[in-house]
Amino acid sequence: AQRVTQPEKLLSVFKGAPVELKCNYSYSGSPELFWYVQYSRQRLQLLLRHISRESIKGFTADLNKGETSFHLKKPFAQEEDSAMYYCALKFGNEKLTFGTGTRLTIIP
Amino acid sequence: DAGITQSPRHKVTETGTPVTLRCHQTENHRYMYWYRQDPGHGLRLIHYSYGVKDTDKGEVSDGYSVSRSKTEDFLLTLESATSSQTSVYFCAISGVVAASTDTQYFGPGTRLTVL
Repeated sequence: AQRVTQPEKLLSVFKGAPVELKCNYSYSGSPELFWYVQYSRQRLQLLLRHISRESIKGFTADLNKGETSFHLKKPFAQEEDSAMYYCALKFGNEKLTFGTGTRLTIIP
Repeated sequence: DAGITQSPRHKVTETGTPVTLRCHQTENHRYMYWYRQDPGHGLRLIHYSYGVKDTDKGEVSDGYSVSRSKTEDFLLTLESATSSQTSVYFCAISGVVAASTDTQYFGPGTRLTVL
């Protein structure tokens, strides 16, 4: 079965420092990968997906099939980036599988 | 955000009582999902629907049932609530084709406490 692993439950980073939230997946095929974010008192929402190869709010994520990873990165953290981040995987017609989430806290 | 609502938003109930949570959408999306969110477990799929009267089980379906009698409503029922079902429940919808890069849109969540 497909699985998504986010090894860090909590991550604290100083404002202005680089951020990297790790996501690894286990699937041998070509999955679709997503990052969802939940800001305080807001709904869970899509941040970005790998096929779009886009940068949203300064975040990027590159799919590395060799390492089966889809880490989320931002060069300079901002206080408003504090949130819960979920990596999610979808393969074919299967439903989304979410990781356990990483709570990111940006220290002023 | 206004396209998906959940009711109630908060509920406290006692063990053994039945509970029904409602998800309502105005987006005419085909797919609807119920998740539970728990610390250390992330989001786990309970049940989902791919059309009116078409539902299927997710990862953690034991103790839950669902119904979808019309496109806009997806009900989640706990037949006999247990303390292990204390959680935050999220409804989500997606529209076009399940096999595509379909974004899921989430409701505001329902916080359920079973005493």
